[in-house]
Amino acid sequence: GDSVTQMEGPVTLSEEAFLTINCTYTATGYPSLFWYVQYPGEGLQLLLKATKADDKGSNKGFEATYRKETTSFHLEKGSVQVSDSAVYFCALNVGGADGLTFGKGTHLIIQP
Amino acid sequence: EAQVTQNPRYLITVTGKKLTVTCSQNMNHEYMSWYRQDPGLGLRQIYYSMNVEVTDKGDVPEGYKVSRKEKRNFPLILESPSPNQTSLYFCASSLRAGGASLHFGNGTRLTVT
Repeated sequence: GDSVTQMEGPVTLSEEAFLTINCTYTATGYPSLFWYVQYPGEGLQLLLKATKADDKGSNKGFEATYRKETTSFHLEKGSVQVSDSAVYFCALNVGGADGLTFGKGTHLIIQP
Repeated sequence: EAQVTQNPRYLITVTGKKLTVTCSQNMNHEYMSWYRQDPGLGLRQIYYSMNVEVTDKGDVPEGYKVSRKEKRNFPLILESPSPNQTSLYFCASSLRAGGASLHFGNGTRLTVT
């Protein structure tokens, strides 16, 4: 079946550090890929997405590139802020009716 | 404002006492879904609905029921809750299934004693 693997953390960084959160996947078809963010006490929000190979999704300074050859969709940001502290979920959908398959989430903590 | 509204936000109940968690969306979305979030397990899908009167099981449907009598509402029913259903529950919707981005509610934290 489909699956998503990501580091769980917590990942602790200092403000202005460079961020990478790794995400790899296995899929039975050609998936769309997503990153969602969950701030404390809230539901998940779509951060960015990519629907085909070599596409780059970007939003709020975060970027991720759909790499079909390595089945990866790593999340990056050049300079993190305290307000980026949250849980980040990588997810995929192969177009079926059963919705998204999520990774277990990566807890990111940014210290001032 | 476009949103998915879940109620209640917090619920403490006892084993065996039937409960319903409501979910409503105001975006005319066809697709709705319920997830549970547990530490170390991430999000797992309970049930989903492609449209009115069309529902199907997700990955962890045991102990849950759903209904979709109207497009905007998708309640989650626990007929006889057990302690292993203590979790954080999220309702989500999207325009359609198959790649469309999900909009999530703010969650319902359920404790079953």
